[in-house]
Amino acid sequence: AQKVTQAQTEISVVEKEDVTLDCVYETRDTTYYLFWYKQPPSGELVFLIRRNSFDEQNEISGRYSWNFQKSTSSFNFTITASQVVDSAVYFCALSTLSSGGSYIPTFGRGTSLIVHP
Amino acid sequence: SAVISQKPSRDICQRGTSLTIQCQVDSQVTMMFWYRQQPGQSLTLIATANQGSEATYESGFVIDKFPISRPNLTFSTLTVSNMSPEDSSIYLCSVGGGKYEQYFGPGTRLTVT
Repeated sequence: AQKVTQAQTEISVVEKEDVTLDCVYETRDTTYYLFWYKQPPSGELVFLIRRNSFDEQNEISGRYSWNFQKSTSSFNFTITASQVVDSAVYFCALSTLSSGGSYIPTFGRGTSLIVHP
Repeated sequence: SAVISQKPSRDICQRGTSLTIQCQVDSQVTMMFWYRQQPGQSLTLIATANQGSEATYESGFVIDKFPISRPNLTFSTLTVSNMSPEDSSIYLCSVGGGKYEQYFGPGTRLTVT
């Protein structure tokens, strides 16, 4: 069975601090896809990044960076110099091939990030 | 990407009644997904809706409780039937998914009293 663990339920930081959100996944599949989504207080989920299991390159996008390590089954997300607008719930998701032949995502429980001014 | 709208955005319903949630996409898509997000919780996939075929339900969800329609490639409905307070949740539709990122609607916030 597939599983995504986001052990940090809530993180509270002060603006300009760096913060890392952890994501650990479990799957026996060799082909899978990992995602991060942001859910701000408004409620609408926003896609941030996608990674496939064969691409371990880390990625940086502005203040956001992602570290994918297959050896530890982790796909961590770092926000550099956090801002109040980063306050949101962040979800990590894992998509694997189901018995029905389609890729089905499993979401972690989410990490609530609160950035104080 | 896709732009997705949902109606209603929120509703308060009486126990035992049913509510139909509509999801409209601005482009034609093969698969649409329905999720439930209970307060402070993660997203749980209810079912996958393909146009022209029966929806595929995940474990713990049944068609009698959550009937889904998918009449064309841009529209779907989810009905929450015979509601109880435990059905109070945010219901989200999405497109994309599978190997690719998903785009979500704004959600329908349902409160059952």
